Amino acid sequence: NAGVTQTPKFRVLKTGQSMTLLCAQDMNHEYMYWYRQDPGMGLRLIHYSVGEGTTAKGEVPDGYNVSRLKKQNFLLGLESAAPSQTSVYFCASSYSRAFDNEQFFGPGTRLTVL
Amino acid sequence: QQQVKQSPQSLIVQKGGISIINCAYENTAFDYFPWYQQFPGKGPALLIAIRPDVSEKKEGRFTISFNKSAKQFSLHIMDSQPGDSATYFCAVTDSWGKFQFGAGTQVVVTP
Repeated sequence: NAGVTQTPKFRVLKTGQSMTLLCAQDMNHEYMYWYRQDPGMGLRLIHYSVGEGTTAKGEVPDGYNVSRLKKQNFLLGLESAAPSQTSVYFCASSYSRAFDNEQFFGPGTRLTVL
Repeated sequence: QQQVKQSPQSLIVQKGGISIINCAYENTAFDYFPWYQQFPGKGPALLIAIRPDVSEKKEGRFTISFNKSAKQFSLHIMDSQPGDSATYFCAVTDSWGKFQFGAGTQVVVTP
């Protein structure tokens, strides 16, 4: 099993450009999450999904959109990138939303917006 | 609003020493208190977790101590090894399964 994979691993964008980050999991998990990680800020939840076809806003959703057309994939889009979106983005998935569920993380995507 | 405060930001410990990381939370509605470990260039991975009805949990060299009345919990790494050098995140989880992470602690274990 590959677990959680993310594409691409690195990306450099210019201000105003758009891009989509792809997350895929092969564990048949219902729940998927997108986080951003910034120095001194920990991991902050951007958007999450509780199942195929559903999405919801997290703590820092502005400037991002998501889609979950297939259970195994969760896409994060930046329509008009800004330097403030320079960050490392992590996708995670979990089997359930039970309070003691473990979240499995992907390896991350390092995004730089110039 | 940061609902979990983690300290210290970084620490250096000699091989064989004890590393202690502390977290404090504000909301008493949290149900689960995991610690995640992250190596450079990798995603975080669950290390150990505790429920609020338990005051201590030990797994190998890693121990969580939980003080419900003080709304604090801590991670102790005994006999620290160079392979423990990583960033550690505490987290709190509510009944809906949503996580809030601390800011992280970078631990460096010197030989």
